[in-house]
Amino acid sequence: DAGITQSPRHKVTETGTPVTLRCHQTENHRYMYWYRQDPGHGLRLIHYSYGVKDTDKGEVSDGYSVSRSKTEDFLLTLESATSSQTSVYFCAISADSSNEKLFFGSGTQLSVL
Amino acid sequence: QQQVKQSPQSLIVQKGGISIINCAYENTAFDYFPWYQQFPGKGPALLIAIRPDVSEKKEGRFTISFNKSAKQFSLHIMDSQPGDSATYFCAASRDYKLSFGAGTTVTVRA
Repeated sequence: DAGITQSPRHKVTETGTPVTLRCHQTENHRYMYWYRQDPGHGLRLIHYSYGVKDTDKGEVSDGYSVSRSKTEDFLLTLESATSSQTSVYFCAISADSSNEKLFFGSGTQLSVL
Repeated sequence: QQQVKQSPQSLIVQKGGISIINCAYENTAFDYFPWYQQFPGKGPALLIAIRPDVSEKKEGRFTISFNKSAKQFSLHIMDSQPGDSATYFCAASRDYKLSFGAGTTVTVRA
């Protein structure tokens, strides 16, 4: 998957606990994205980054925060997980801002009980 | 509120048949319309894309038809094969952000 590693691949956690998902890329791409995928909703953008320490909100950012201290790593944190955040989370990368070549990782299945 | 509406939710086609997936949008500011293909356990992968100044784009067995006045676009999979069984997402881009449709699961029966 285009040099993108998401970890963990699966996680089960309890409501109210903090969770951090990691996306690591080896492509040196400037743009990184976090999406969530839910049945009936397709993929929805949570947060994105356009450079180290440069991030912005997507359409479903409430309850999520991100950090990017290095070009290759983009972290997604659920400060206090809720059952509504049970989803499959995908990281994506792009070399430029055009979205014309967006590469996705294999996803993290997160279950919040 | 979904900015791109996709139908059908699922479809079954016989090997060699044609699969057709439709998408509609409202925002005329969208300027790029890709289709993504996703296999189980994998992330989506770009399949084919079109810009609104073109009415049709073909790559192998996959064709996008684009109707700017109707604000609709569709994916046609010709000569469908069992290996085409996957979930397909249409999307639309503006201001460098993608809005995805809900997805269509295509099953090709041998």
